[in-house]
Amino acid sequence: QKEVEQDPGPLSVPEGAIVSLNCTYSNSAFQYFMWYRQYSRKGPELLMYTYSSGNKEDGRFTAQVDKSSKYISLFIRDSQPSDSATYLCAMSAFEGAQKLVFGQGTRLTINP
Amino acid sequence: NAGVMQNPRHLVRRRGQEARLRCSPVKGHSHVYWYRQLPEEGLKFMVYLQKENIIDESGMPKERFSAEFPKEGPSILRIQQVVRGDSAAYFCASSPINTVPGNTIYFGEGSWLTVV
Repeated sequence: QKEVEQDPGPLSVPEGAIVSLNCTYSNSAFQYFMWYRQYSRKGPELLMYTYSSGNKEDGRFTAQVDKSSKYISLFIRDSQPSDSATYLCAMSAFEGAQKLVFGQGTRLTINP
Repeated sequence: NAGVMQNPRHLVRRRGQEARLRCSPVKGHSHVYWYRQLPEEGLKFMVYLQKENIIDESGMPKERFSAEFPKEGPSILRIQQVVRGDSAAYFCASSPINTVPGNTIYFGEGSWLTVV
């Protein structure tokens, strides 16, 4: 069993829809949770960073962490074609996000 | 991810050759991390270095792979006698010396290695 599970998709939704992306994990030591966006043949770009449980909102993006269920989510509101990318969850037991453990990534396409 | 420079961006090697990937961290960052992304997979941690020091190499394959971060110059990931299974994207990341919550690592654009 992988330490971090993420549905690889692909996920295709119409423009303007609310997108929900999720990861589950097994290591209860994880305290720092991140979502990265990766365009094709590019490096990962940090979208959201959350410590411990709770919600965090940044513009159209909301990250949720439920440590009791070992489940994290990323919501994208009013999705745009430019949001089409692969979304990677990542987590770590260490402050400063050393030694990140990544999910497989979900490939998302927003259709105009 | 602005500032972390990796080269070459694309590298083709024949089986048995050596591959050298270079990473220049963000100016002022003294911590460097290497990750590997195999096709259709997420990134996997390989090694964490500070200047002249390997802090954690628990993700490095036992043979053929080595990394260094000298006092001067870029960090180097070296793969000797490459095999087809080494074909992957290799990402470098860097962070400031004092990491605090919310301040995380920045990735470069990656080096894509193809072994033929």
